[in-house]
Amino acid sequence: GAGVSQSPSNKVTEKGKDVELRCDPISGHTALYWYRQRLGQGLEFLIYFQGNSAPDKSGLPSDRFSAERTGESVSTLTIQRTQQEDSAVYLCASSLRGADTQYFGPGTRLTVL
Amino acid sequence: QKEVEQDPGPLSVPEGAIVSLNCTYSNSAFQYFMWYRQYSRKGPELLMYTYSSGNKEDGRFTAQVDKSSKYISLFIRDSQPSDSATYLCAMRGASGNTPLVFGKGTRLSVIA
Repeated sequence: GAGVSQSPSNKVTEKGKDVELRCDPISGHTALYWYRQRLGQGLEFLIYFQGNSAPDKSGLPSDRFSAERTGESVSTLTIQRTQQEDSAVYLCASSLRGADTQYFGPGTRLTVL
Repeated sequence: QKEVEQDPGPLSVPEGAIVSLNCTYSNSAFQYFMWYRQYSRKGPELLMYTYSSGNKEDGRFTAQVDKSSKYISLFIRDSQPSDSATYLCAMRGASGNTPLVFGKGTRLSVIA
């Protein structure tokens, strides 16, 4: 079956612009996670959605970052007024339930010039 | 001190070698331990998943957890060029609602 998909695969933007990154989880997966992976670094947790519960936003680095998810479907991660330090690969993962195996998408590579 | 420490390598070995990858951690609440493999420009994929201390074997891969030392390992036997990738350790506490904490990843190259 289809895995987690993300779009765009690459995004180049200018400093100060807003960007939106999209994640389509595996159908039926109630949990969805966003991570950031900077060059040479591990995955850094950003935000976690579980069903209709309030999301865990504890990993968002600043108020320029926000994410939405409608029900148990698509999620968008928005970065406002992008900065050069936002350049990274943004990875999305989904799992059947919160405690289950996380399946990752291919990521969106964001470059802020 | 970061919660999870992992030597980033790079590690280069000849084909057929036994590879040992390791992580140490500081949070004694971690109960679930995972190893992910990440090929270049791809998302991580789960290789091994263990709970608490002990060993788990799956084909050429063996995962070990030593909670008393806060140390986990992944062994790859008879390494192949196709094993060349970045290996990330990850762990979390008992609650299913806690996010994974990842190491930086170790880049492995297996030379034919």
